[in-house]
Amino acid sequence: QLQLQESGPGLVKPSETLSLTCLVSGGSITNGHYYWGWIRQPPGKGLEWIGSFYYTGTIDYNSSLKSRVTILEDSSNNQFSLKLNSVTAADTAVYYCARRTGISLEFDCWGQGALVTVSS
Amino acid sequence: QSALTQPPSASGSPGQSVTISCTGTSSDIGRYNYVSWYQQHPGKAPKVMIYEVSKRPSGVPDRFSGSKSGSTASLTVSGLQVEDEAEYYCSSYAGSNTPVLFGGGTKLTVL
Repeated sequence: QLQLQESGPGLVKPSETLSLTCLVSGGSITNGHYYWGWIRQPPGKGLEWIGSFYYTGTIDYNSSLKSRVTILEDSSNNQFSLKLNSVTAADTAVYYCARRTGISLEFDCWGQGALVTVSS
Repeated sequence: QSALTQPPSASGSPGQSVTISCTGTSSDIGRYNYVSWYQQHPGKAPKVMIYEVSKRPSGVPDRFSGSKSGSTASLTVSGLQVEDEAEYYCSSYAGSNTPVLFGGGTKLTVL
C-alpha cells in the first residue's frame, strides 16, 4: 500500500528557507505512470499547487512561487524534497506531498500533511 | 492563471441531493476533460472523489457523480449522508504551463 510521509521543521523564521522531505513507501517514485508533487493549504484557506516532477527530470512549478521554489528528487532513497526560500508569514500552511496519475491527472494519494509556521 | 471559482457554501438535508459548481475558462475546464474533485474533512488530507470529469475511484460511493458543461464542472452528491459534510475542492488541468488549478473550496453542510 502506497504511503507518503512529510517531515521537516515545524517552525521557520522569516526570510529563511523552508525545507520538507516526502518519504514514499509501497511504491517507487521512478514509476513512469506518476508525477509527484507538493500542495499547500494556509490555515482556514484552500489548496494551492506548488509544483510537481516526473522521474525523467521534468519539473513544473506554480508560476506565483517559481522564483522561490525548488523540488528535488532523491530516487536512491525513494523520497523527494521541497525548498521554499525567503519565507514570510504568508507561507504558513499545511504542506502536503502527493502522487498524481500520469494519464488522468488526479492526485490519488496524499501524505497526512505537515504544518509549517513562519514566525520569529 | 486564476483559481477556479466555487461557491463558498452549499447545504442539504439527509437524503437530499446537492450540486456544487466549479467555473473555469476556455483554457482549463472548457478545453480539457481532466477535472477532479476532492473531499476534505477537518484536519485530514484531501481524498479524490471524481477524476476525468465523471469517473469514480474504487471505493467512492456512486452517490457522488460529476459532469461538465462548457467551462463549468459540477459535483452532485445524491442521498446526502451526515458523513458527506466536508470541504470540496475542484481541480483542472490547464495546459503544460499550468498543470494544476484548484478551486477555492465549497463547505458542504448536511443539515
